[in-house]
Amino acid sequence: GAVVSQHPSWVICKSGTSVKIECRSLDFQATTMFWYRQFPKQSLMLMATSNEGSKATYEQGVEKDKFLINHASLTLSTLTVTSAHPEDSSFYICSAHRVHEQYFGPGTRLTVT
Amino acid sequence: DQQVKQNSPSLSVQEGRISILNCDYTNSMFDYFLWYKKYPAEGPTFLISISSIKDKNEDGRFTVFLNKSAKHLSLHIVPSQPGDSAVYFCAASEGDDKIIFGKGTRLHILP
Repeated sequence: GAVVSQHPSWVICKSGTSVKIECRSLDFQATTMFWYRQFPKQSLMLMATSNEGSKATYEQGVEKDKFLINHASLTLSTLTVTSAHPEDSSFYICSAHRVHEQYFGPGTRLTVT
Repeated sequence: DQQVKQNSPSLSVQEGRISILNCDYTNSMFDYFLWYKKYPAEGPTFLISISSIKDKNEDGRFTVFLNKSAKHLSLHIVPSQPGDSAVYFCAASEGDDKIIFGKGTRLHILP
């Protein structure tokens, strides 16, 4: 299957700082990427849909000013958690869309202290 | 409103027996269905899929069954192995639209 990478895989940051997470599709061009968040023992929550060259579409309840998404190229989408707080600590997963399938990145664990 | 439902949050199955994970959907326009497997602290990985024109797809130990009239699909794993312990997500899509995921079922394979 296709390969999607995420960087970093694990990050610890102080409350109030911003963190950028990169998602790359390594072997195909993805016009659409998705960002998910997973809380412990809970399901995947879709945060936003990222379309190359246009503004991201955020799901209801997701603060677009807090979770900045940029999809500048067909192989790269970034999620920036701005002014992070401890409640933002979570496992963030991106996926790249190709007809009928989504390929997931390995995830990024964010811990805000 | 949940379009893809996995009503069992968890399931325990003895090693060697058959694991059956169920999924229901509400959107009759869905034409492609997928199952993903997820280990803790990892991204989900694609397991098996089925098009709405079929009612069964088999890949090794994994078989997915689709009952369109009941809007129901199931994933059968036989024989179940310890490495199958994971969270399984059912997913569906309509055309080339985004894939909708269920909330997942945690499968425990007991020794």
